[in-house]
Amino acid sequence: GESVGLHLPTLSVQEGDNSIINCAYSNSASDYFIWYKQESGKGPQFIIDIRSNMDKRQGQRVTVLLNKTVKHLSLQIAATQPGDSAVYFCAEVTTSGTYKYIFGTGTRLKVLA
Amino acid sequence: DTGVSQDPRHKITKRGQNVTFRCDPISEHNRLYWYRQTLGQGPEFLTYFQNEAQLEKSRLLSDRFSAERPKGSFSTLEIQRTEQGDSAMYLCASSGYRDQETQYFGPGTRLLVL
Repeated sequence: GESVGLHLPTLSVQEGDNSIINCAYSNSASDYFIWYKQESGKGPQFIIDIRSNMDKRQGQRVTVLLNKTVKHLSLQIAATQPGDSAVYFCAEVTTSGTYKYIFGTGTRLKVLA
Repeated sequence: DTGVSQDPRHKITKRGQNVTFRCDPISEHNRLYWYRQTLGQGPEFLTYFQNEAQLEKSRLLSDRFSAERPKGSFSTLEIQRTEQGDSAMYLCASSGYRDQETQYFGPGTRLLVL
């Protein structure tokens, strides 16, 4: 299949290490944030979300941190596995007023065996 | 499989031809979205429907593009007089009443305009 994100920033991590992927968002009015994983040739897949009234949310092996002061979002993946290799996108959503759903440019995660 | 499906998965066409893509959302989802994605970029919002009503269109959606969702179920995206710059992955997503903001994506239709 085709490659997603040929010229994206790339994060390489050793299998078993923790990964941290960062995202800067643009709209201070965004009230909901989502991380997606996209494998080559596939559509984005939901990983985890967080609302703007929270600063941390944990899922299975993943944690999302939100810092509204500096408009920064991060995704932490614990014990990274080869199957985690993909492109990761953050999305910011504004649900009040004009509905807006904006994706960031993405980060490619490569897991090294 | 009860996820979002798109058809065709790949389309090659000559410049100037019209193409139409179909999206079947998750059955109970009332919202349906279309995005365009080019290599190295995140998906760009094109338009979305709530039931059969088209509620918002991006300025990216030129007058050559039209989307419909006539019965509030499947949707079609038509591109008329295709241009080489239309080459991209076209993604469809849907979301449901209980969690409107979480969108579930289909596999996309890869369009190549020669």
